[in-house]
Amino acid sequence: GAGVSQSPSNKVTEKGKDVELRCDPISGHTALYWYRQSLGQGLEFLIYFQGNSAPDKSGLPSDRFSAERTGGSVSTLTIQRTQQEDSAVYLCASRYLLATTYEQYFGPGTRLTVT
Amino acid sequence: QKEVEQNSGPLSVPEGAIASLNCTYSDRGSQSFFWYRQYSGKSPELIMFIYSNGDKEDGRFTAQLNKASQYVSLLIRDSQPSDSATYLCAVMTGGGNKLTFGTGTQLKVEL
Repeated sequence: GAGVSQSPSNKVTEKGKDVELRCDPISGHTALYWYRQSLGQGLEFLIYFQGNSAPDKSGLPSDRFSAERTGGSVSTLTIQRTQQEDSAVYLCASRYLLATTYEQYFGPGTRLTVT
Repeated sequence: QKEVEQNSGPLSVPEGAIASLNCTYSDRGSQSFFWYRQYSGKSPELIMFIYSNGDKEDGRFTAQLNKASQYVSLLIRDSQPSDSATYLCAVMTGGGNKLTFGTGTQLKVEL
């Protein structure tokens, strides 16, 4: 079946503008994660959604970052008043909660460049 | 101290050799450990996962876990040029809901 999809694949924005990044998880995967990967760095956890439970927002770096997940499926990560340090690849992953492997399936990412 | 530490490399090995990738973690309560492979410009993909002390083999890959030493490693036998990638070690934390990743080790398999 289809994998995790993300849009846009690339986004260039000016400092101070708001951006929205979209993630469409694998059908049936109730767990959804957002990560950020800066150049030469590992993946930094941002936020986790599981079903109708309150999201784990412990990784969001500032209050300029927010995310929502509508209808338990598509998720949007919003960055307000973007800064140059927000430039990174934003990766979304989903997981089938009952899978014993705990494998997270990653989307292709959105490369965000703030000029 | 970082929660998950890896040598950034690059680690260069000749084709056909064994590549050994290492990772240490700080949370002694961690239960599950993962190795992801990430090709340049691509998203990570799961290679191996391990929960129990000892070795776990899957084809040319062997994951090794030593919880007492808080150490997990990945061995790649008969390394191929197609194995050239960055290998990310990840540890499950937060009650099983999230992964903490190391910064990755770049592996180069040379002809």
